[in-house]
Amino acid sequence: EPEVTQTPSHQVTQMGQEVILRCVPISNHLYFYWYRQILGQKVEFLVSFYNNEISEKSEIFDDQFSVERPDGSNFTLKIRSTKLEDSAMYFCASSWDRSTQYFGPGTRLTVL
Amino acid sequence: QKEVEQNSGPLSVPEGAIASLNCTYSDRGSQSFFWYRQYSGKSPELIMFIYSNGDKEDGRFTAQLNKASQYVSLLIRDSQPSDSATYLCAVNNESNFGNEKLTFGTGTRLTIIP
Repeated sequence: EPEVTQTPSHQVTQMGQEVILRCVPISNHLYFYWYRQILGQKVEFLVSFYNNEISEKSEIFDDQFSVERPDGSNFTLKIRSTKLEDSAMYFCASSWDRSTQYFGPGTRLTVL
Repeated sequence: QKEVEQNSGPLSVPEGAIASLNCTYSDRGSQSFFWYRQYSGKSPELIMFIYSNGDKEDGRFTAQLNKASQYVSLLIRDSQPSDSATYLCAVNNESNFGNEKLTFGTGTRLTIIP
């Protein structure tokens, strides 16, 4: 069964450093998303992406964040200058119908 | 602010019984409703989705939607210990193009007692 994959599973970084989280969505899906979940809190929407552009972003997704689909398979989330409060699980999701979203296993980001 | 509310639990149910999980949402324009299961430290796993009022059954799971009451529920029949997890209710409002994000509740922690 096709699934969303994410790398790395765990990323540790120093405050102020740049990180890139990578995702490979399900191959025939056209809509891509990033969510995050701070420990013990709700899953929160960050950004949605379709046709090589952002279709919606949340207040969390400020200028420090960017997304890119550099080739036909990868979808990346970049955080330019990490803060302590960026520590969270980051989930990539994809959808074929703009509605039913399938989540990857997540990347645990720890900012020290 | 669009909200999705769930009782955080924990909800304890004996093995073999029916577990009933509830969710309410604030945005009347919401059109798609989802239940995800999340094991500790893992990602949300899609269990059910429902778009129309009424019941939708899939194996041991039944989703129920009442748009007039802004209420969606999940029933798990013949509960198994492996059903012990946090169940997340999520709502997607597709009324505006591009407004396709999922808004999640805090989740209900379910424990099945052998």
